[in-house]
Amino acid sequence: AQKITQTQPGMFVQEKEAVTLDCTYDTSDPSYGLFWYKQPSSGEMIFLIYQGSYDQQNATEGRYSLNFQKARKSANLVISASQLGDSAMYFCAMRAEDSNYQLIWGAGTKLIIKP
Amino acid sequence: GAVVSQHPSWVICKSGTSVKIECRSLDFQATTMFWYRQFPKQSLMLMATSNEGSKATYEQGVEKDKFLINHASLTLSTLTVTSAHPEDSSFYICSGSTATYEQYFGPGTRLTVT
Repeated sequence: AQKITQTQPGMFVQEKEAVTLDCTYDTSDPSYGLFWYKQPSSGEMIFLIYQGSYDQQNATEGRYSLNFQKARKSANLVISASQLGDSAMYFCAMRAEDSNYQLIWGAGTKLIIKP
Repeated sequence: GAVVSQHPSWVICKSGTSVKIECRSLDFQATTMFWYRQFPKQSLMLMATSNEGSKATYEQGVEKDKFLINHASLTLSTLTVTSAHPEDSSFYICSGSTATYEQYFGPGTRLTVT
């Protein structure tokens, strides 16, 4: 069965520090994609970064990078030089053929950046 | 990027009335649309998947007679909450998907039933 696990319900981080949000996944499908979304208090889901299971290199998008460790089935999100505007809920999600390409969601991590 | 709109962004209705939420893909054709529900401090819960011109496929535990989904065109899907009750109060999010399975999310609709 497909599953996404985010073990950190909440995190406090000092502004300008780097932060790592954990995500582990479980699937038997060899082809899958991993996503990170940010959800601020307004509610909109903002796509941050994507990693395909066959991608050789870790995905990066500006201050966001995805630490993809396939053997450990982990896909941690790293935010460098955190900003106050980074305070939000962060969700890890997976899409695989076995789940009819629906997104399987983690429980989310609430990140609060302290000034 | 592809844009999805939802209308209304928030709605308050009385118990027993019905509410319709629209989801539109503005600059792409959504072969599939997904409807999610999200309670405070929780993750997204998939309610149903709909393909244009077909009946929606509902997830286990979602009452299809209560949450009516219509996907009339490749750019419009609607969710109607019939005979709404306070427990239906939630944040409803739609997403449109293309043939490449990318999902583009709407901004969400906050429903409060009094």
